[in-house]
Amino acid sequence: AQSVTQPDIHITVSEGASLELRCNYSYGATPYLFWYVQSPGQGLQLLLKYFSGDTLVQGIKGFEAEFKRSQSSFNLRKPSVHWSDAAEYFCAVMDTGRRALTFGSGTRLQVQP
Amino acid sequence: GAGVSQSPRYKVTKRGQDVTLRCDPISSHATLYWYQQALGQGPEFLTYFNYEAQPDKSGLPSDRFSAERPEGSISTLTIQRTEQRDSAMYRCASSPNRGQQETQYFGPGTRLLVL
Repeated sequence: AQSVTQPDIHITVSEGASLELRCNYSYGATPYLFWYVQSPGQGLQLLLKYFSGDTLVQGIKGFEAEFKRSQSSFNLRKPSVHWSDAAEYFCAVMDTGRRALTFGSGTRLQVQP
Repeated sequence: GAGVSQSPRYKVTKRGQDVTLRCDPISSHATLYWYQQALGQGPEFLTYFNYEAQPDKSGLPSDRFSAERPEGSISTLTIQRTEQRDSAMYRCASSPNRGQQETQYFGPGTRLLVL
């Protein structure tokens, strides 16, 4: 069965600093990968997705992620963090047979002024 | 509609009571999903519908959980004889069903507390 690991439960960065959130997946076939963000009281918003092609994927709000098959990773990056980026971030892989998303346990991002 | 909506947003119930949660997907979307998210965890798949068909309900944790989508639009998730361990955020998502390379769009969720 597929799985997603987000090793960092909680990360704190200073506003303006760069950010990298780690995600490792386990999936037998070519993975379809997603990053979602959850702000307090909000639903899950899609940041970006990878299906195929270019392994560097651009998303909304200045985020990008790089798919590295050799490392089974799909890390999320942003060059300069804004205070409004404080939220919880979830990485997910799709089971294409079942249409189900398998999520990691999330990384909570705190932004210091 | 403009997005996925869910109601109620919050539900407090006593152990042993039945609860029904509602999801209204994006109007053009054929596929609808239900997830359960425990505190401090990511969402976990429960079941999904393709129009009114329910191809996969393997994620439902027990036979107390059931879901319907009788007309292929609005869906309900019912939990019978609720237990404290059912306390969680229940999230609904929908997608257009244009193939495997699909994005699921999530609603705001219903937070259920079983006392």
